Amino acid sequence: GEDVEQSLFLSVREGDSSVINCTYTDSSSTYLYWYKQEPGAGLQLLTYIFSNMDMKQDQRLTVLLNKKDKHLSLRIADTQTGDSAIYFCAESSGDNFGNEKLTFGTGTRLTIIP
Amino acid sequence: DAGVIQSPRHEVTEMGQEVTLRCKPISGHNSLFWYRQTMMRGLELLIYFNNNVPIDDSGMPEDRFSAKMPNASFSTLKIQPSEPRDSAVYFCASSLGLAGGRGNEQFFGPGTRLTVL
Repeated sequence: GEDVEQSLFLSVREGDSSVINCTYTDSSSTYLYWYKQEPGAGLQLLTYIFSNMDMKQDQRLTVLLNKKDKHLSLRIADTQTGDSAIYFCAESSGDNFGNEKLTFGTGTRLTIIP
Repeated sequence: DAGVIQSPRHEVTEMGQEVTLRCKPISGHNSLFWYRQTMMRGLELLIYFNNNVPIDDSGMPEDRFSAKMPNASFSTLKIQPSEPRDSAVYFCASSLGLAGGRGNEQFFGPGTRLTVL
């Protein structure tokens, strides 16, 4: 079955880089996702990476994928107070009906230290 | 579009009472998901629908939980009878149901915070 693991907490000083790590189990996942949850809100898609890519960069965000080790990371450069949130890693998997569902990790709570 | 709409936003009830959570997905989306979020267990997928048909309900914790999607614009999650351990934030999400990338993006509602006393 699918399983996605993340560490629960990360504290980073403002201006430093944050690196959030994730491991997953489904080697057939075509896409892997990072979602962000701000306090009192639902999850929002932050970025995603296709499984045949090693890296994807989007402004301050860098996603690294090691498919061999089933390891995904999200790097946030120049971390700001507005980056404080819970970050969820998710893997996609298909069912027998051609539907796709996402399996989310437990989320990593990122705290910014002024 | 207003996004995924959930009601109520907060619900406080007593153990043994019936609770009904409601969700209106984004118009045109074919897939709908119900999640539960707690500190202890994180985000759990309870059930998901595709074209109003339940596809996978293996995450529904017990027979006390049931979900319906009578049409493309409305879904309910019912707990009967409710218990204190059901206290959590319940999220509804919808997606286009297309495979991969942005097509698989799930849009989440604001959640319903349920407290069972």
